[in-house]
Amino acid sequence: DAKTTQPNSMESNEEEPVHLPCNHSTISGTDYIHWYRQLPSQGPEYVIHGLTSNVNNRMASLAIAEDRKSSTLILHRATLRDAAVYYCILSRPTGNQFYFGTGTSLTVIP
Amino acid sequence: EAQVTQNPRYLITVTGKKLTVTCSQNMNHEYMSWYRQDPGLGLRQIYYSMNVEVTDKGDVPEGYKVSRKEKRNFPLILESPSPNQTSLYFCASSLYRGGFGELFFGEGSRLTVL
Repeated sequence: DAKTTQPNSMESNEEEPVHLPCNHSTISGTDYIHWYRQLPSQGPEYVIHGLTSNVNNRMASLAIAEDRKSSTLILHRATLRDAAVYYCILSRPTGNQFYFGTGTSLTVIP
Repeated sequence: EAQVTQNPRYLITVTGKKLTVTCSQNMNHEYMSWYRQDPGLGLRQIYYSMNVEVTDKGDVPEGYKVSRKEKRNFPLILESPSPNQTSLYFCASSLYRGGFGELFFGEGSRLTVL
């Protein structure tokens, strides 16, 4: 199975950048890297995903290591609304499956 | 409004009493899947479906059944629930067949089996 490893928790000050790391040393060549976040009492919501190149969207940036064994989700300016559990996920298109990690709980300090 | 709807949101039942958790999406998505979320274990995939009448097992399919008779609906069936199936369940859908695109999740169904 494709596995991801994330720190259990992180803290950030409001309006500062946040770098959330993820290790996925067993990633295979066709696995996509996704990030989702989950607010309390809600289902996960999509943040960003990529395959090999770094990706940017309105919510965040995704930096993928050259060997693809790790990635970093970057929130450029943390707000209180960004406090959530962030999941790093591998998806395997050949098997149509998604493999969730246990997530990082992000606390944003005002 | 584009959404994934699960029912019921909360359910308390007893061991052995068959139950169905419904999931419906209004986005004409091909891919649908079910997950369970347990403390310390994250989300684990139970079953997924790539299209009507096409379903397959995820990581933890034991004790569950699914069906995909219509594109919009993907019910999760517990034929004989047991206490170890007490969990928070999420249904999700995606426009693309597994892995390529964004997953849209429902709000979750919290199931307690006594």
